[in-house]
Amino acid sequence: DAKTTQPPSMDCAEGRAANLPCNHSTISGNEYVYWYRQIHSQGPQYIIHGLKNNETNEMASLIITEDRKSSTLILPHATLRDTAVYYCIVTWASGSRLTFGEGTQLTVNP
Amino acid sequence: GAVVSQHPSWVICKSGTSVKIECRSLDFQATTMFWYRQFPKQSLMLMATSNEGSKATYEQGVEKDKFLINHASLTLSTLTVTSAHPEDSSFYICSARQPGIDTQYFGPGTRLTVL
Repeated sequence: DAKTTQPPSMDCAEGRAANLPCNHSTISGNEYVYWYRQIHSQGPQYIIHGLKNNETNEMASLIITEDRKSSTLILPHATLRDTAVYYCIVTWASGSRLTFGEGTQLTVNP
Repeated sequence: GAVVSQHPSWVICKSGTSVKIECRSLDFQATTMFWYRQFPKQSLMLMATSNEGSKATYEQGVEKDKFLINHASLTLSTLTVTSAHPEDSSFYICSARQPGIDTQYFGPGTRLTVL
């Protein structure tokens, strides 16, 4: 699986959009980009995933650059409950093992 | 999303005893489940991949005789920590792959403390 690089921490004001970047410059053509988040002392929560096209669901939007070497997770209107560690993971398919890096600690401030 | 449960949510045991943790997919059948371990202030580390009806595949460095995994049905996988020691104290989390959806869903985790 391709390695990912994320900033260790970010802050965001409540109600504003949170844009979390992820670099995956060694991603191969058939690898997906998955995003999960982990709120303290809970299991990770699936957010979204994509291959080439941008994706949107009720939780977030995923923007993947045309060369697929980086992506951005967008939480359109961050709330205090969005404070968590966000993990960007590149893998062949969901049936494959997920390799968790250190992620980004997002803190949403009132 | 799909729901995965774990039981118990926390357990305290004495050194040398065995502890069993259950992982269930509540609203879908999972041919593949995964077990992770997370130490304080660290990320999740995959321990093993569990396939229904076959032996689990363990990651390098994980003792298969110490961490027994059974995946006897499409909705249940169990992890048994045998002869537990204080260094086994950790947060154990399972996940299940929902077929056709290309997504793994995680359980809430089990906090194990070995005294």
